[in-house]
Amino acid sequence: ELKVEQNPLFLSMQEGKNYTIYCNYSTTSDRLYWYRQDPGKSLESLFVLLSNGAVKQEGRLMASLDTKARLSTLHITAAVHDLSATYFCAVDLSGTSYGKLTFGQGTILTVHP
Amino acid sequence: EAQVTQNPRYLITVTGKKLTVTCSQNMNHEYMSWYRQDPGLGLRQIYYSMNVEVTDKGDVPEGYKVSRKEKRNFPLILESPSPNQTSLYFCASSLYREGTGELFFGEGSRLTVL
Repeated sequence: ELKVEQNPLFLSMQEGKNYTIYCNYSTTSDRLYWYRQDPGKSLESLFVLLSNGAVKQEGRLMASLDTKARLSTLHITAAVHDLSATYFCAVDLSGTSYGKLTFGQGTILTVHP
Repeated sequence: EAQVTQNPRYLITVTGKKLTVTCSQNMNHEYMSWYRQDPGLGLRQIYYSMNVEVTDKGDVPEGYKVSRKEKRNFPLILESPSPNQTSLYFCASSLYREGTGELFFGEGSRLTVL
């Protein structure tokens, strides 16, 4: 079965702290995506990782991809309240490039003072 | 503005009453897809389409139909809705031939079946 698993599913952080969200997937893929979802809203694309060793950074978020380990990480640096949201990783497990993505369960991030 | 538009955004209906959720994109994307989102389960794919007149089942297609008669439109049809189809539905599209496979999502349609 094709699976994408995120860890942790719930994350409560203090402002200013660092933390990492992990995304493991069950079969070979070199395409991985991170999305953010605010409550009641749509999904917003954060990062597109298209090769082994890819690293992308935007503000306090940095994503990386290790295709050999079938693992991606989303690292949060010096968290602020505005980062509170649900974060999804998604993997193209179809072996194509047309966007047939399998999503993880999502990580609900809450940043508090 | 490049966007994926879904309608209706909110709908309450009763068991067995046929309904259609429309989806339209203005980015000339070949690939379109429907997902449903339920708490604790992430997003699960219902159907997808790689181009006009080409559709295929995703992971949870039971109880749903789709059609792709035009490139820009990909409606989701519930012929006889049941309460277990109460969910948040997202339409998404991507430009796969020359793109990254990145999905662009609509605003979502929250459906309640009584």
